[in-house]
Amino acid sequence: QKEVEQNSGPLSVPEGAIASLNCTYSDRVSQSFFWYRQYSGKSPELIMSIYSNGDKEDGRFTAQLNKASQYVSLLIRDSQPSDSATYLCAVIGGGATNKLIFGTGTLLAVQP
Amino acid sequence: NAGVTQTPKFRILKIGQSMTLQCTQDMNHNYMYWYRQDPGMGLKLIYYSVGAGITDKGEVPNGYNVSRSTTEDFPLRLELAAPSQTSVYFCASSPQGAKGYTFGSGTRLTVV
Repeated sequence: QKEVEQNSGPLSVPEGAIASLNCTYSDRVSQSFFWYRQYSGKSPELIMSIYSNGDKEDGRFTAQLNKASQYVSLLIRDSQPSDSATYLCAVIGGGATNKLIFGTGTLLAVQP
Repeated sequence: NAGVTQTPKFRILKIGQSMTLQCTQDMNHNYMYWYRQDPGMGLKLIYYSVGAGITDKGEVPNGYNVSRSTTEDFPLRLELAAPSQTSVYFCASSPQGAKGYTFGSGTRLTVV
């Protein structure tokens, strides 16, 4: 079992719709979770972090965490073509080294 | 602030050649990381450092070496380049604690 799993997609949604991106992780002691956006040929950019169960909202983005189910999700409301990118889920592994373990990413395509 | 600066942006190496990928950050972050990203494979940790003079292996360290003589610099050395090292390399840094990373713009390396 991979440590952080994501559906590779592509996930295609029409402009203005809600895009839902999902991620599961295997290490029950993980406490910190991140979503990165990566445009083609560019470096990953941090868009959301979440540390406790529940929802965290930032503009059009909402991160959801359920530690009991070991599940993290990212909702993008009012999706725009500029949101088309690969979304990487990342989890801090055990220990004090702050090492991030990344999923393979989900490609999102927002259709105009 | 420049953030995390990587050089070069592109490089073509012949099999058996060596090179150093440079990484510098100006945010006074203690933690620094080197990842490689292959198509469809996500980001894999090569080496990391929790402070000047301290380095440790990540998931895929073979064929690479690092040093951390200052807080700012974390170069990655490739000895005897092999085609399997063709990849995009990202350097990242983070402050202490469970924080997200700031990534450099990446180095696209091709070994022929």
